Amino acid sequence: KAGVTQTPRYLIKTRGQQVTLSCSPISGHRSVSWYQQTPGQGLQFLFEYFSETQRNKGNFPGRFSGRQFSNSRSEMNVSTLELGDSALYLCASSLEGPYSNQPQHFGDGTRLSIL
Amino acid sequence: AQSVTQPDIHITVSEGASLELRCNYSYGATPYLFWYVQSPGQGLQLLLKYFSGDTLVQGIKGFEAEFKRSQSSFNLRKPSVHWSDAAEYFCAVGAPGNQFYFGTGTSLTVIP
Repeated sequence: KAGVTQTPRYLIKTRGQQVTLSCSPISGHRSVSWYQQTPGQGLQFLFEYFSETQRNKGNFPGRFSGRQFSNSRSEMNVSTLELGDSALYLCASSLEGPYSNQPQHFGDGTRLSIL
Repeated sequence: AQSVTQPDIHITVSEGASLELRCNYSYGATPYLFWYVQSPGQGLQLLLKYFSGDTLVQGIKGFEAEFKRSQSSFNLRKPSVHWSDAAEYFCAVGAPGNQFYFGTGTSLTVIP
C-alpha cells in the first residue's frame, strides 16, 4: 500500500512568488492535514480537509490556502511568498481525521526555501 | 492562553534505561492529546493519542502515555530505551473545531 506522497520534495522560490504543494493521501483516506515546521516557530497546524471541505484551520494569514479534490488529493498554495515561509511542509492523511480512532500517516514533506 | 509545554529541551539516557518525557498543556476545550516522533531527516510519526476513557494509553514502539487531568499533563514513557529511539518528540493538543497546538519538542539522545 503506497504511503502519503508529497511533491515536490524540494522547492526554491523568491520573495513575492507563489507556490503550490501537492499531497496524495493513502488510498481510501478522506482526511488530509497540513503542517508547517520551522526552526523558529516549530510545528504549526495549517488546515485539515475532509471530503473536499476545510474542516479546521490554524492561525495563518490568508496567503495560505488549500483545497482537496474528489480523489482526496490535496494542494496547498502560498501566495506572495515571504522569507519566513521557508519551512518544511508536512501533510498527513487518515481515514476520518486526527480526532478519530484511526492513525494519521505523514508524508516526507516538501522543503520550501525562499530566496 | 492555550499552549503546550515540553519543559525538557534535550534529554540523554543510556540504552536500556527507562524514559519519561514531560508534557503539560493549557486548553479551553476537552483536549485530545497526541505524541509524535520525528527521526533525523524524516517526517512525523504518530506514537499515540488520547481521547477519553482509560488514562493510560499504549502506542507503537513500546511507548505509553498517561493523562492526568488534575495536573494537565500527558507524559510519555518507555520502560527500556533502544538506540533507535533517538529522535525529536512532540506533544500536541487539539479538539474538533478548535486550534491545534504542538509543543516545542524534546530531543532524545541515547547513549550506548
